[in-house]
Amino acid sequence: ETGVTQTPRHLVMGMTNKKSLKCEQHLGHNAMYWYKQSAKKPLELMFVYSLEERVENNSVPSRFSPECPNSSHLFLHLHTLQPEDSALYLCASSHVGNPTQYFGPGTRLLVL
Amino acid sequence: QQQVKQSPQSLIVQKGGISIINCAYENTAFDYFPWYQQFPGKGPALLIAIRPDVSEKKEGRFTISFNKSAKQFSLHIMDSQPGDSATYFCAAGEKNSGGSNYKLTFGKGTLLTVNP
Repeated sequence: ETGVTQTPRHLVMGMTNKKSLKCEQHLGHNAMYWYKQSAKKPLELMFVYSLEERVENNSVPSRFSPECPNSSHLFLHLHTLQPEDSALYLCASSHVGNPTQYFGPGTRLLVL
Repeated sequence: QQQVKQSPQSLIVQKGGISIINCAYENTAFDYFPWYQQFPGKGPALLIAIRPDVSEKKEGRFTISFNKSAKQFSLHIMDSQPGDSATYFCAAGEKNSGGSNYKLTFGKGTLLTVNP
């Protein structure tokens, strides 16, 4: 595996379900990001982890809970989501202090 | 408030033509300006990026033009090909309050279609 991988690629869940998105980077980076991509809207930065410490939380509802157990892995735990949370969730990584971010292919989430 | 304004929303170009996408920003703290290309079912991929100390950067058929005083930058795709058909995002980067990480603010994207 190379670059940034995300699993699952597609996810359908009900509003009462609990699920997790996984991201893994194979680039030796030490900063990781979660973005939300909705149609006709700019990418929205959700969370930033730098050296495994959360350094940014952009007013994201508590039904989204990130976890970064080490510099290569990032999770987004989901519970009691709303239909408006349906979107493409992108993970990215970079070296700390370097503005160049590398994105994974995303998880397409549908909340019913 | 949209910090990075991108236009047009969609663009149709004939093969061999020039594609031009424009972005404007307000925040003078931005000091990194990348363009990303995204194909359906894929994540955005970095195409080319520029710092504000230069006015132009060229990589193959892709050129960024940067106007610091006007706070505008644009992507030019020369000799556009059908394989260039994708969504293009501009972004602007600034260091976060702690100074250790860059935060990217994205435009809404431009859907480019290159007809054969």
